[in-house]
Amino acid sequence: KAGVTQTPRYLIKTRGQQVTLSCSPISGHRSVSWYQQTPGQGLQFLFEYFSETQRNKGNFPGRFSGRQFSNSRSEMNVSTLELGDSALYLCASKNPGLLYNEQFFGPGTRLTVL
Amino acid sequence: AQTVTQSQPEMSVQEAETVTLSCTYDTSENNYYLFWYKQPPSRQMILVIRQEAYKQQNATENRFSVNFQKAAKSFSLKISDSQLGDTAMYFCAFMKRETSGSRLTFGEGTQLTVNP
Repeated sequence: KAGVTQTPRYLIKTRGQQVTLSCSPISGHRSVSWYQQTPGQGLQFLFEYFSETQRNKGNFPGRFSGRQFSNSRSEMNVSTLELGDSALYLCASKNPGLLYNEQFFGPGTRLTVL
Repeated sequence: AQTVTQSQPEMSVQEAETVTLSCTYDTSENNYYLFWYKQPPSRQMILVIRQEAYKQQNATENRFSVNFQKAAKSFSLKISDSQLGDTAMYFCAFMKRETSGSRLTFGEGTQLTVNP
């Protein structure tokens, strides 16, 4: 089974622009979560989508949004980019049927904001 | 809200020796999961071991084992027979056991270096 894939792997943007990151979960996984990883703040939860609905949201401004499609693929969007948005964005998928709730992570998208 | 604390930013160990990484957490929940994830230089987050809070028996996975002390809210990871490939950042993580979602709360991480 293919793992979680994220595209693009690297991205460079300038302040004020917007960006869309994509995540394809493991086949059969309907839950997709997003995390932001920075040296200063560590790993922080952004949001989770399940069956095209957002069911959990972290403490991030409204500039951060996401969505999930019927095939479980998910996108996250960051509008009006700020320098502080430079980070590794990780996506994780999960099969809700699993008792122990293991999340499988993708390789991440490295976003640099100049 | 839950918090996870890893008090050792960096650790090193000689190859073939044993090392223990510490993790404490704070929660008012009774049903939850605890995880140790490994993030090597490739940045791919990999699950090392998991523990269900309702299980008293400590989890083990080959060379990796945990010491779960629920009352003390402590969850340490022991790596036996350390290998060079164990060099990575290790994150302790907490998740409430619920059907309405899955949200991991991570600690700050411990950078482990295995020396030859």
